[in-house]
Order: sequence, then C-alpha cells, then structure tokens
Amino acid sequence: AQSVAQPEDQVNVAEGNPLTVKCTYSVSGNPYLFWYVQYPNRGLQFLLKYITGDNLVKGSYGFEAEFNKSQTSFHLKKPSALVSDSALYFCAVRVNRDDKIIFGKGTRLHILP
Amino acid sequence: ETGVTQSPTHLIKTRGQQVTLRCSSQSGHNTVSWYQQALGQGPQFIFQYYREEENGRGNFPPRFSGLQFPNYSSELNVNALELDDSALYLCASSLVGVQDSPLHFGNGTRLTVT
Repeated sequence: AQSVAQPEDQVNVAEGNPLTVKCTYSVSGNPYLFWYVQYPNRGLQFLLKYITGDNLVKGSYGFEAEFNKSQTSFHLKKPSALVSDSALYFCAVRVNRDDKIIFGKGTRLHILP
Repeated sequence: ETGVTQSPTHLIKTRGQQVTLRCSSQSGHNTVSWYQQALGQGPQFIFQYYREEENGRGNFPPRFSGLQFPNYSSELNVNALELDDSALYLCASSLVGVQDSPLHFGNGTRLTVT
C-alpha cells in the first residue's frame, strides 16, 4: 500500500533563512508527488508536483522540491523564508494516473520574525 | 475560471442524524474527491467520483455515501452521525486523463457532531 511520511510535526525557521520540510514515500510503482499548503480555516492549495524528468521541481511562492528516488524522498525547500510562509504543509503521493491521492499528516511551519 | 465551492461552511448536527454536504467542481474538471480532515491530521480519502460513479473508496463505512451529477457537482451524505465524524470535509476536483492533474480544493465544510 502506498503511504507518505512527514517525520516532523513542526519546523521553526528564522525569517530569511533557508527552510526544508521533509517527506518520504512508499509506493509499489512510479510515484506522482505533490506538495500542498493549508492556511487556517481554508482548503489545501497546490504548490508543486513531480511527475517525471528533472529531480528539482519549482512551484508557487518560490518553493521548490527535490525528488530523490534512492532515498524515496521529496523534501520541500525554499532559499529564504518569509513570515507569510507560516502554514501547514502536506506532502502527497499518487501511484496510478487515476488513483487516489494519499496525504501525509502534515508539518506546521513557523517562520520567526 | 471558477474554483471549487462548498456549502455550507459550518454545520452542527446531533449524533444519529444525517447530513448532506455539497460541492461545486472547478469548471472543466470531471472528477471529484472527498476527504475528511480531523483536527491536527492530514486529509483522509473518503471516495472519488468520475462519470457519476464511485471509482475509488478509502477506509470509510457504507454510511458515507456520495453522488456526482451531470454538471460534475457532488454531494457527500453521512448517515447515523457519530461524534468522531466531527471534522473538516474537503471536496477536491481534478481532470481524469491528465496524469499530472493536481487536486483543486474547496475551503471545506466544518461539521460538528454533538
């Protein structure tokens, strides 16, 4: 069965510093990987995706993620954090084109002024 | 392009009652998925509808049921409500046949069961 793990419940980063939010996955085929962000009392917003090709994918709001097949990881990164990046971040995986998307439990990102 | 809209935004029900939540998909999308997000948790997949038929289901009992209409809008019905059904219910639409189609979410319906 496919699954996603986000090992950190919370990540604290000072404004202007680089940030990383970790994600690992377990699937039986080739994964389609996604990152979403959720602000309070809102639905999830799509940030970026990895389907195939370059291991480094760029997304919205300056975020990027690195796909590492050997480590089965898809960590979210940003070179310089903003206070407005504070939110709940979810990693997600889909195996087949029409399959359901499975989410991790989320990581709360706090950017400290 | 209109986004995904859900109604109502908040709802309070009593244990044992039934509830219907509604979702209007993003224009051009033909698939709708429903997720349950308990407090402090990630979204849990309930089911997915395509061409008005359920084509995938998560680990939820049969008292969770759904409908998709020809205009791609959708309903989630929950019978015999239990206290643990209290959660944020998220609807998401996407486009089947496009392998990298991400989900587009509504803002959810917050259901409280007392």
